[in-house]
Amino acid sequence: KNEVEQSPQNLTAQEGEFITINCSYSVGISALHWLQQHPGGGIVSLFMLSSGKKKHGRLIATINIQEKHSSLHITASHPRDSAVYICAVGPNTGNQFYFGTGTSLTVIP
Amino acid sequence: KAGVTQTPRYLIKTRGQQVTLSCSPISGHRSVSWYQQTPGQGLQFLFEYFSETQRNKGNFPGRFSGRQFSNSRSEMNVSTLELGDSALYLCASSPGGAGGTSYNEQFFGPGTRLTVL
Repeated sequence: KNEVEQSPQNLTAQEGEFITINCSYSVGISALHWLQQHPGGGIVSLFMLSSGKKKHGRLIATINIQEKHSSLHITASHPRDSAVYICAVGPNTGNQFYFGTGTSLTVIP
Repeated sequence: KAGVTQTPRYLIKTRGQQVTLSCSPISGHRSVSWYQQTPGQGLQFLFEYFSETQRNKGNFPGRFSGRQFSNSRSEMNVSTLELGDSALYLCASSPGGAGGTSYNEQFFGPGTRLTVL
């Protein structure tokens, strides 16, 4: 049983396209995190949110607590956005994370 | 501020051996969490230390242990290595605090890639 489900698993886009990655979870959460992992392994935290919407540059993250769903949007995608995007949730009981399996994004010039 | 550092970056061991990995958090961060990443299981939470105490633990066998020192540096130890322990081991630090790991933005280190032969 996976507490966090991501879709799609793989995504290929042309440069400039609008991209959406989805995350659904089954546990009550304290916060949801979006992470970016580039080839080579380094992970960067993009967003941490518990309600509403956050924006940073071309990236937008939204969360719907009632539907237990979050989306990560990338506007005007660029080849440097090529990476694996991982959704992680911190349940409201306990202090650990549950991770999605990641979405591998390739943006073609 | 310097980022999270992990040593060593690469390690090759044989089955049955033990290994110790080190993580130095961002200055001022009191929480250090450890994660295992494998192609089959993805990212999994190992444990979190805050102020030298293990605050939470994931579902890993007792062969996986850790500790945190007074300067917040942390070590992770795996005893009696198995082939399935081959993975990227990541640590992440955060300011910590009463809210716990999940309430805090995590700053990840580059990872230690462990290969067990």
